[in-house]
Amino acid sequence: KNQVEQSPQSLIILEGKNCTLQCNYTVSPFSNLRWYKQDTGRGPVSLTIMTFSENTKSNGRYTATLDADTKQSSLHITASQLSDSASYICVVSDRGSTLGRLYFGRGTQLTVWP
Amino acid sequence: EADIYQTPRYLVIGTGKKITLECSQTMGHDKMYWYQQDPGMELHLIHYSYGVNSTEKGDLSSESTVSRIRTEHFPLTLESARPSHTSQYLCASSESASGTPVETDTQYFGPGTRLTVL
Repeated sequence: KNQVEQSPQSLIILEGKNCTLQCNYTVSPFSNLRWYKQDTGRGPVSLTIMTFSENTKSNGRYTATLDADTKQSSLHITASQLSDSASYICVVSDRGSTLGRLYFGRGTQLTVWP
Repeated sequence: EADIYQTPRYLVIGTGKKITLECSQTMGHDKMYWYQQDPGMELHLIHYSYGVNSTEKGDLSSESTVSRIRTEHFPLTLESARPSHTSQYLCASSESASGTPVETDTQYFGPGTRLTVL
């Protein structure tokens, strides 16, 4: 069964600290993995996308890594800001899937305190 | 910020009412999607469309229906709302970037409609 598991479920950090969010998946065959940021009451916004051949991708203070062998990904946030408080969702697509057939994790709820 | 809009943002209605959730995008994307999301849970695809007059059901069974008469418009309708329909409904659109595999489409999401059925 294709699944995406994220950990931790929630995380609280102080402003300025770094953190790492985890994503494990069983989706096969793998096509790509996305990280989305979803602010409360808003729709998700894409942060990064990585295909099979990519093992790291950065977007400002966000750095995503991918290990396609172990089927794991992480999202590292550097020098956190209050505006980073949001849910971070890992989304995996399988190769050749019909568009829209994405597998969503439940997200990690990150709270950044001043 | 993506140019995709949803109205209303919040809706509280009584059981048995007919409702339509609106979704519009001004990016000219041919593909559009509806997702349902409960608090703390993953998004579930309920409908998608590849273009005008094309609609398909998603992975999660839903009593809602959709239509795609215009490229930019993808409304979702519930003929008779029930408390079990209470949820957040997210609309999204995407278009393949030139030269990239179709699987790398990035979906742009609207702000969502939070529906409460009493």
